[in-house]
Amino acid sequence: DQQVKQNSPSLSVQEGRISILNCDYTNSMFDYFLWYKKYPAEGPTFLISISSIKDKNEDGRFTVFLNKSAKHLSLHIVPSQPGDSAVYFCALRGSNYKLTFGKGTLLTVNP
Amino acid sequence: EADIYQTPRYLVIGTGKKITLECSQTMGHDKMYWYQQDPGMELHLIHYSYGVNSTEKGDLSSESTVSRIRTEHFPLTLESARPSHTSQYLCASSGGANVLTFGAGSRLTVL
Repeated sequence: DQQVKQNSPSLSVQEGRISILNCDYTNSMFDYFLWYKKYPAEGPTFLISISSIKDKNEDGRFTVFLNKSAKHLSLHIVPSQPGDSAVYFCALRGSNYKLTFGKGTLLTVNP
Repeated sequence: EADIYQTPRYLVIGTGKKITLECSQTMGHDKMYWYQQDPGMELHLIHYSYGVNSTEKGDLSSESTVSRIRTEHFPLTLESARPSHTSQYLCASSGGANVLTFGAGSRLTVL
């Protein structure tokens, strides 16, 4: 039973537009939420995070939103750039400090 | 820049061989992790360690074993490789409770 779901396997957007990546979860015990970015043949790199006591965190072009009542997490990238093309994973921390990952969404930003 | 190193990056090996995937970090992190990932799938935690001489199995059952004799070193061993072990293996470490830093991964193919 998957606790973390990224329902869109892929997303394609035009350069300069907004990219919105979504993540849904079922376990209300998750208390810290992260987004990782992964290029082919490389390991995931940390992008941005948010704790359960906040509903928004912003870092440059990247903003993460958390809706705890809906158990929904999203990542907004604006403006999107071709270099943002990668697989994006949401990762959620449980009470034992281990991270549970989604399956990832492949973002393609077209010039 | 990542300070966590994995070798080999790619390995093709025959069934029944013993393999060791190396992982070293120079950040002095106490916590280290091994994740397994198949294409299009989530990362699954197979082993973790919270310090020297401490190792635990993760959420996904694995026939591999790990050791943590030194803080900086967390090798993973498969005594007898099988085609079902074909996957990407990602090592990570963290100094705190939240953000994991990943290595570039070791892609294993067992023929």
